[in-house]
Amino acid sequence: NAGVTQTPKFRVLKTGQSMTLLCAQDMNHEYMYWYRQDPGMGLRLIHYSVGEGTTAKGEVPDGYNVSRLKKQNFLLGLESAAPSQTSVYFCASSYSTTVGPNTGELFFGEGSRLTVL
Amino acid sequence: RKEVEQDPGPFNVPEGATVAFNCTYSNSASQSFFWYRQDCRKEPKLLMSVYSSGNEDGRFTAQLNRASQYISLLIRDSKLSDSATYLCVVNKGSSNTGKLIFGQGTTLQVKP
Repeated sequence: NAGVTQTPKFRVLKTGQSMTLLCAQDMNHEYMYWYRQDPGMGLRLIHYSVGEGTTAKGEVPDGYNVSRLKKQNFLLGLESAAPSQTSVYFCASSYSTTVGPNTGELFFGEGSRLTVL
Repeated sequence: RKEVEQDPGPFNVPEGATVAFNCTYSNSASQSFFWYRQDCRKEPKLLMSVYSSGNEDGRFTAQLNRASQYISLLIRDSKLSDSATYLCVVNKGSSNTGKLIFGQGTTLQVKP
């Protein structure tokens, strides 16, 4: 059971470099998300997708781009990395969006630790 | 004011103790509430949903107080393995779970 897989797990970048984080899920989930987690800030939503070919901005989208060309994959891109983007990035997926009990279960990947020097 | 606020702790308790965490939320239209658990350097995982009538899962009890806009998590008979960060999560009121708001978490350390 792979669940949600993120690659790479660790990366060090220099300011101005670009990179892409890949998220893959094998649960046939419609919804996928990218969060960042910083000390004292909690998880913050960067971008999300409600289905193949669709993306939407979350709480902190600036400096990031995403693509969902295939249902199982959600890519997060940093075009020109900045030190403020040093963080732990989590990808997540979920079944549906219906509000109610047991509808808030997000399945997370193990995280990707990114350092921008 | 943060949309979801938690006391970051840490809460240091001995094994067997009962400990409670509160979480307040600002959006009165929020409809869904959850507690997630996050172990050190790991991903968050759903611990339990919080129902209007309150709900229990083994040693864990969750309560919702809509009038005061807070939710609580009670852990009875704490185990060493309960040491983790507990994240309060609230839906903004939309039907889209992309609008889940995470609190910064409350850290629990259970000591022998």
